[in-house]
Amino acid sequence: GAVVSQHPSRVICKSGTSVKIECRSLDFQATTMFWYRQFPKKSLMLMATSNEGSKATYEQGVEKDKFLINHASLTLSTLTVTSAHPEDSSFYICSARPSVGLDYEQYFGPGTRLTVT
Amino acid sequence: GEDVEQSLFLSVREGDSSVINCTYTDSSSTYLYWYKQEPGAGLQLLTYIFSNMDMKQDQRLTVLLNKKDKHLSLRIADTQTGDSAIYFCAESYSGGYQKVTFGTGTKLQVIP
Repeated sequence: GAVVSQHPSRVICKSGTSVKIECRSLDFQATTMFWYRQFPKKSLMLMATSNEGSKATYEQGVEKDKFLINHASLTLSTLTVTSAHPEDSSFYICSARPSVGLDYEQYFGPGTRLTVT
Repeated sequence: GEDVEQSLFLSVREGDSSVINCTYTDSSSTYLYWYKQEPGAGLQLLTYIFSNMDMKQDQRLTVLLNKKDKHLSLRIADTQTGDSAIYFCAESYSGGYQKVTFGTGTKLQVIP
């Protein structure tokens, strides 16, 4: 089956530093990947849509200079939280759509817990 | 705009049926989904239904769709303790990047 991994699964960083989260599709190619943020006991909020080889499309209210997204290959997208602050602490989940597949197919990673101290 | 709402909490006894409800507003939705999230984990797609269907059954899961009322439900028969999780309904429409909009999530607690 289609597997999406995220690395790291948990990260603690100091306020003001940057942290990079990787999202990989392990056994399929993904032209499109999505980055979500989930607050405690809340739903998933789409942050941005990442397309291989082009700029990401950010949702309204998401700062593109703070949340840098790079989708350099068909199996890897990265989210870099720059100059992190405690309010950036959250659960970040990525998903990937197979380049060749059915319309509804989208596979989610296990998530990355970010804690900013 | 897109808005997907669910009740926050449901408690059932092991062996009973669970029914989780969801309402959505986007009439252009093509697919409606049910996802399961266990504590600290990502999302697992349980089932999906096309917007032109009324019902879909998959083993213990039954999805009912009322397009007129924009109401979606998930019935879990013979609920087990392993079914305890948060359940999200979600919608997307065909075309574009297939952006998925998630509901608020329902926490299902199964009492042994």
